[in-house]
Amino acid sequence: DAKTTQPNSMESNEEEPVHLPCNHSTISGTDYIHWYRQLPSQGPEYVIHGLTSNVNNRMASLAIAEDRKSSTLILHRATLRDAAVYYCIPPDSNSGYALNFGKGTSLLVTP
Amino acid sequence: GAGVSQSPSNKVTEKGKDVELRCDPISGHTALYWYRQSLGQGLEFLIYFQGNSAPDKSGLPSDRFSAERTGGSVSTLTIQRTQQEDSAVYLCASDSGGGGELFFGEGSRLTVL
Repeated sequence: DAKTTQPNSMESNEEEPVHLPCNHSTISGTDYIHWYRQLPSQGPEYVIHGLTSNVNNRMASLAIAEDRKSSTLILHRATLRDAAVYYCIPPDSNSGYALNFGKGTSLLVTP
Repeated sequence: GAGVSQSPSNKVTEKGKDVELRCDPISGHTALYWYRQSLGQGLEFLIYFQGNSAPDKSGLPSDRFSAERTGGSVSTLTIQRTQQEDSAVYLCASDSGGGGELFFGEGSRLTVL
């Protein structure tokens, strides 16, 4: 099972870019890296996922290191609604699906 | 339905009672997951159903916990003889199979007094 390391918390000003890092040094070569976020009192929601190349969607961008041992979720302009816990999830290498989510990074956005 | 539906949204019970939590996944999704989230913690995997295959029960914390999925759709998580440490939010998720994007419900908050 790939292990991940994320900072417990980060803070950003509104409308500033936010870079949320994740280390996943034990990830296998074929595992996608998924990011989810959990707003207060809600279930997690999908943000983005990628394998090797950088990925963009309407919510965020994902920059994946060349050695795939780390990735960074980029919110280009943080809003107050982006305040949430962000989870970096590689799937379990045996089962192929997500097992335990760690504590993630709690993002605080200030006006 | 449009999303994953869970019921009840809140359940308060007394220690020793049995509880049932229900999950209605997105129509057509073959994979269904149950997770548990204790206060201030991340999500803990409990059980996984995929189609007609035998479920992966490796995350169930004790034999007081069980789950079934009838007709490949609705799932029920049952906790027998509840304990105070069972207090948590129980989250259900589904996907179309193949380890893709998970769609989560709003969760069922269980409080054991």
